Amino acid sequence: DARVTQTPRHKVTEMGQEVTMRCQPILGHNTVFWYRQTMMQGLELLAYFRNRAPLDDSGMPKDRFSAEMPDATLATLKIQPSEPRDSAVYFCASASSGGGGTQYFGPGTRLTVL
Amino acid sequence: AQSVTQPDIHITVSEGASLELRCNYSYGATPYLFWYVQSPGQGLQLLLKYFSGDTLVQGIKGFEAEFKRSQSSFNLRKPSVHWSDAAEYFCAVGASNYQLIWGAGTKLIIKP
Repeated sequence: DARVTQTPRHKVTEMGQEVTMRCQPILGHNTVFWYRQTMMQGLELLAYFRNRAPLDDSGMPKDRFSAEMPDATLATLKIQPSEPRDSAVYFCASASSGGGGTQYFGPGTRLTVL
Repeated sequence: AQSVTQPDIHITVSEGASLELRCNYSYGATPYLFWYVQSPGQGLQLLLKYFSGDTLVQGIKGFEAEFKRSQSSFNLRKPSVHWSDAAEYFCAVGASNYQLIWGAGTKLIIKP
């Protein structure tokens, strides 16, 4: 059963520290999305990639967030330096070209910044 | 502008009762439509999707949804809810740039 995997599942860190979240998309999927979910803002699209190229990262705070796809099996989201307002659940989702836009979500990384 | 509206933030239903969650969309072309469910502490799981053809779509866990073009709606239904259906439900429409446009979600509460 193909799934999107995310690590770590939980992360507690202190303000100012660097945080790296990782995502392994479903094998063969060529589009990867990063979302952030909070009680106040709901589900927000941060960035997404197609064939490893960034298509849109307008949802990301540029000064502290960065997203990359070093290869087709790994997507990373980095926050440096982290702030308490970054506390949220971060989801990765992947999709294939022929899927009509269907996105498959990972279990999320719950980030707490103290 | 493309948008998805889920007018109900919360819905409370008794266990065993029927359920209908509303979703309205604004989209210029023929939409691809989706319903996802998010259980507490989990990621979003695809319930069902509509691309074309039969406007009544069957999904997992006994859910179905009906696409009504004239009403720009894609409402989710279940004839008899179970306590395990308590979750948040998201409607989405596929946009032309591979993204999904998401509704704000409806939280379903089940009364015993």
